[in-house]
Amino acid sequence: DTGVSQDPRHKITKRGQNVTFRCDPISEHNRLYWYRQTLGQGPEFLTYFQNEAQLEKSRLLSDRFSAERPKGSFSTLEIQRTEQGDSAMYLCASTKGRSSYEQYFGPGTRLTVT
Amino acid sequence: AQTVTQSQPEMSVQEAETVTLSCTYDTSESDYYLFWYKQPPSRQMILVIRQEAYKQQNATENRFSVNFQKAAKSFSLKISDSQLGDAAMYFCALQETSGSRLTFGEGTQLTVNP
Repeated sequence: DTGVSQDPRHKITKRGQNVTFRCDPISEHNRLYWYRQTLGQGPEFLTYFQNEAQLEKSRLLSDRFSAERPKGSFSTLEIQRTEQGDSAMYLCASTKGRSSYEQYFGPGTRLTVT
Repeated sequence: AQTVTQSQPEMSVQEAETVTLSCTYDTSESDYYLFWYKQPPSRQMILVIRQEAYKQQNATENRFSVNFQKAAKSFSLKISDSQLGDAAMYFCALQETSGSRLTFGEGTQLTVNP
């Protein structure tokens, strides 16, 4: 256990529904990252925060995706109007800051869109 | 744009033997960081080893070592005395600046045979 938790671990939803995932990083970590991993592939970067500021967003993060980290602690990732192509594992990672290299990953939330 | 390529989708090794996983990458930066992450089945991704590009000496962590060839943009992982617990998906990853996003390769599935 790396100390990063994600909830829920599994989510099945119907196409067109909205879903929200939560990530709780290690408490003293001020950087938080979201990645998406499809079956048999490496994780792809979505976005990251330093404290509550969203520093970078990938082009993968369409306008149906939004991420927040309101108090610089936990983060949420929301997907609106889900599509079957959104089915993937959504990984969260955290790190202490700019000078820290190791990202600690959570167990992921597996999303299945039917 | 930074890219990472792992050309071996699957590798297998006998217990106690040595195996080398390959990775090539591309970046326009002169200073960057390279990582190998391990993702066991249904478990969280963990860092195996890291290499700073400005360091000429290859990193070593117990049974894990790397062969970093900066000019060739190659970064291979050698696992010595392979153990059953080494069986996992291994990802090579690149980070262009400390604390920024990771770019992952496609992964290599390692099987360790008893």
